[in-house]
Amino acid sequence: NAGVTQTPKFRVLKTGQSMTLLCAQDMNHEYMYWYRQDPGMGLRLIHYSVGEGTTAKGEVPDGYNVSRLKKQNFLLGLESAAPSQTSVYFCASSYARPRRNEQFFGPGTRLTVL
Amino acid sequence: DQQVKQNSPSLSVQEGRISILNCDYTNSMFDYFLWYKKYPAEGPTFLISISSIKDKNEDGRFTVFLNKSAKHLSLHIVPSQPGDSAVYFCAASDRGNTDKLIFGTGTRLQVFP
Repeated sequence: NAGVTQTPKFRVLKTGQSMTLLCAQDMNHEYMYWYRQDPGMGLRLIHYSVGEGTTAKGEVPDGYNVSRLKKQNFLLGLESAAPSQTSVYFCASSYARPRRNEQFFGPGTRLTVL
Repeated sequence: DQQVKQNSPSLSVQEGRISILNCDYTNSMFDYFLWYKKYPAEGPTFLISISSIKDKNEDGRFTVFLNKSAKHLSLHIVPSQPGDSAVYFCAASDRGNTDKLIFGTGTRLQVFP
């Protein structure tokens, strides 16, 4: 099993450009999450999904959109990138009872917006 | 408003000694807590968890203690090893919304020989 994979690993964007980050999991998990990690801020939840076709806002959703068209994939989109979105992005997934089961994280995508 | 707080950004411990990482929370609805470990350039990995019905959970060298009255939990690593050098995140689950976790800001542990 590959677990949780993220594509790409690194990306540099110019302000105003758009991009999509792809997360894929092969563990048949119901729940998927997108976080960003910034120095001194810990992991902050951007959006999450509790099942195929569903999405919900997290703590810092502004400037991002997500889609969960297939159970194994969770896409994070930036329509018009801003320097404030420079961060490391982590995707995670878990079984349908995240309270009792830990989240499995991908290796991260380092995004720089110039 | 930071609901899960890790007030020590870093901790340095000698190999073989005990490492104690602390976490405080403000939300009385939190009833499940987890610790994650993160190495550089990798995603966090689950380490240990504890339910609010317990005050201690142990897994090998790792023990988590929960003090509900103080809204405080701690992770003890005994004995500490150089491979334990990483960033440790505390996370909590709200019984009113169990779909997600709230993470602390992390503590960087360095274990030196």
